Amino acid sequence: DAGITQSPRYKITETGRQVTLMCHQTWSHSYMFWYRQDLGHGLRLIYYSAAADITDKGEVPDGYVVSRSKTENFPLTLESATRSQTSVYFCASSEARDAGNTIYFGEGSWLTVV
Amino acid sequence: RKEVEQDPGPFNVPEGATVAFNCTYSNSASQSFFWYRQDCRKEPKLLMSVYSSGNEDGRFTAQLNRASQYISLLIRDSKLSDSATYLCVVTPTNAGKSTFGDGTTLTVKP
Repeated sequence: DAGITQSPRYKITETGRQVTLMCHQTWSHSYMFWYRQDLGHGLRLIYYSAAADITDKGEVPDGYVVSRSKTENFPLTLESATRSQTSVYFCASSEARDAGNTIYFGEGSWLTVV
Repeated sequence: RKEVEQDPGPFNVPEGATVAFNCTYSNSASQSFFWYRQDCRKEPKLLMSVYSSGNEDGRFTAQLNRASQYISLLIRDSKLSDSATYLCVVTPTNAGKSTFGDGTTLTVKP
């Protein structure tokens, strides 16, 4: 079934380790996004990508790296995880020919940094 | 000041009640507006788009007031299943810059 999938869904890691969260979409959407959502707070944009090999910073990019070598994949890497990066991470995609397109979210990746 | 602001609630209402949420935005160049619903520990999902003329989908009505820069969501005849967090989303011409409000939590009680 088409959609947007994230892996791993749940991850516990130690401070200082590198962690990569994977995101794959089967719709060939141009835009892909990474958001983080902390308990009791809203979604904050980390990075987004308008197309393969095009990425741009969002509101909270520090400590994160992204790449988009293929349209369907948009991995997010925490280079050296910190406790403040404990959060749920949502990947999303949008066709976005104009501003009116729906953003579709993956189920989320719950990351705990200890 | 946040770009998009919502009353966090919580709104606690009995079944059958009518409840309304507002969302204000600061960027007058904003082009598109949406309401999303997020259930506890789940991903946000589109509830409805908000059109300039206002639009209705069953028990849900969305309104846009560009002059005052706010959007609203009205839920009539609330159901237990309407309990969730409702997020407003404001998008300028670049979809990569969509901004989500922090959400308004609704609890519908029997």
